[in-house]
Amino acid sequence: DTGVSQNPRHKITKRGQNVTFRCDPISEHNRLYWYRQTLGQGPEFLTYFQNEAQLEKSRLLSDRFSAERPKGSFSTLEIQRTEQGDSAMYLCASRGQGSGYTFGSGTRLTVV
Amino acid sequence: QKEVEQNSGPLSVPEGAIASLNCTYSDRGSQSFFWYRQYSGKSPELIMSIYSNGDKEDGRFTAQLNKASQYVSLLIRDSQPSDSATYLCAVDAGKSTFGDGTTLTVKP
Repeated sequence: DTGVSQNPRHKITKRGQNVTFRCDPISEHNRLYWYRQTLGQGPEFLTYFQNEAQLEKSRLLSDRFSAERPKGSFSTLEIQRTEQGDSAMYLCASRGQGSGYTFGSGTRLTVV
Repeated sequence: QKEVEQNSGPLSVPEGAIASLNCTYSDRGSQSFFWYRQYSGKSPELIMSIYSNGDKEDGRFTAQLNKASQYVSLLIRDSQPSDSATYLCAVDAGKSTFGDGTTLTVKP
């Protein structure tokens, strides 16, 4: 068990560019979650998967955000046409049945 | 009104004292309740979970749940400087909704 792995750790991009983040969950966990966190705020829910099925997507998430989890293993989160307001820490978490989350180290996105 | 409310703090206690952190929530359908600790610049780390009314103790930590009052708390006994962090309350009904955290400082 190597924990939840997120890549890259940091990403600086120019406004209008597309970015993609990857999350590798704990292999035994069938649920995978994406959250976004800004300074002084708690993590904000974006979307989650059970195996390969995307079960819920936040209403706050614009059409520029998309997530996938092919084959129920790793997941990717893509942001198209990035805006400065997208600058945040993007957190991935996984969990088994009935337990709390194990978070990855996060990807810090800076849009300039 | 936010779904999960926490006092933002900062809360400052002397070393060895009891730190008390509180959380209220609005969704009566919530079934699972969690406390996470987050050090500055790091991701949250699960420290306690509680699912039924009453107290649950784990080492220096005690979580308390009162579903009728929609209230969750975390007590940290014999607080240490290493406990200085932001504590996030999370309420779960399929996915977790987080409060904005309470920042705790334990002074030597």
